[in-house]
Amino acid sequence: DQQVKQNSPSLSVQEGRISILNCDYTNSMFDYFLWYKKYPAEGPTFLISISSIKDKNEDGRFTVFLNKSAKHLSLHIVPSQPGDSAVYFCAASEETSGSRLTFGEGTQLTVNP
Amino acid sequence: DTGVSQDPRHKITKRGQNVTFRCDPISEHNRLYWYRQTLGQGPEFLTYFQNEAQLEKSRLLSDRFSAERPKGSFSTLEIQRTEQGDSAMYLCASSHAGTGKTEAFFGQGTRLTVV
Repeated sequence: DQQVKQNSPSLSVQEGRISILNCDYTNSMFDYFLWYKKYPAEGPTFLISISSIKDKNEDGRFTVFLNKSAKHLSLHIVPSQPGDSAVYFCAASEETSGSRLTFGEGTQLTVNP
Repeated sequence: DTGVSQDPRHKITKRGQNVTFRCDPISEHNRLYWYRQTLGQGPEFLTYFQNEAQLEKSRLLSDRFSAERPKGSFSTLEIQRTEQGDSAMYLCASSHAGTGKTEAFFGQGTRLTVV
C-alpha cells in the first residue's frame, strides 16, 4: 500500500517561473515531512523539511506547505532555475518508528531556459 | 568530506554469488539506514540501526539479506545467493536521533547488477 504518493511523474516549467510539486499521504501517524532532490547516479540530497506542528517552512527559494486535514504537502520553488532540474521525492516519517522514511515515487522536474 | 560514503559505487555479479556493501555514515550520527531503489520508484526502507543495535527490518529484507553495524560506526549489507531481482541501487543514510530534526543524509549509493 502506497502511503506517500506523488501523482505527477513529471513537470516542466520555464526558468524564472514557479514550480509546484505535490504530495499526498495516507498515514495520519506521520509527523515529519521532507523533500529530497536526486540527480542521476547520485543519492538523494535533503532539501527542506516540515514538522506536523507547522503549516509552512521556507528556505530561500524553497517553501514547503503542509495541509494536515487534507494530508497534502507541496514544494514551491521560486524562481525556478535550470539547475533545479532533477527528480524530487517527497518523504514522511514518524518518530516512533525510528524516523525511517517512506518515499513517494518521485516527480521529474525539468526547468527550461 | 564528512558526508555518507558507500563502497563500491558499482557492482556486477553473477546470479548465485554473494556480495557485500559498506557504508560509512556521518561520524556524529547514531542512526544508520539502508534503502533500496529500483527504476521509477522512490527508495524503499530495508533496515536501520541505532548505534550498534538493529532496531527494525522491513519485510522486504529476505533471509538472504543481512546487515551489521558492529561498533556503531560503519555498516555492511550482505546479500547471499543473489538473484536478478536484487538488481537495484542500494542507498545508505544516517541521521542523529534526539536533535528534533530527523532528516537523513544519503550516500551516493551502490548500483548492483545481477547477471
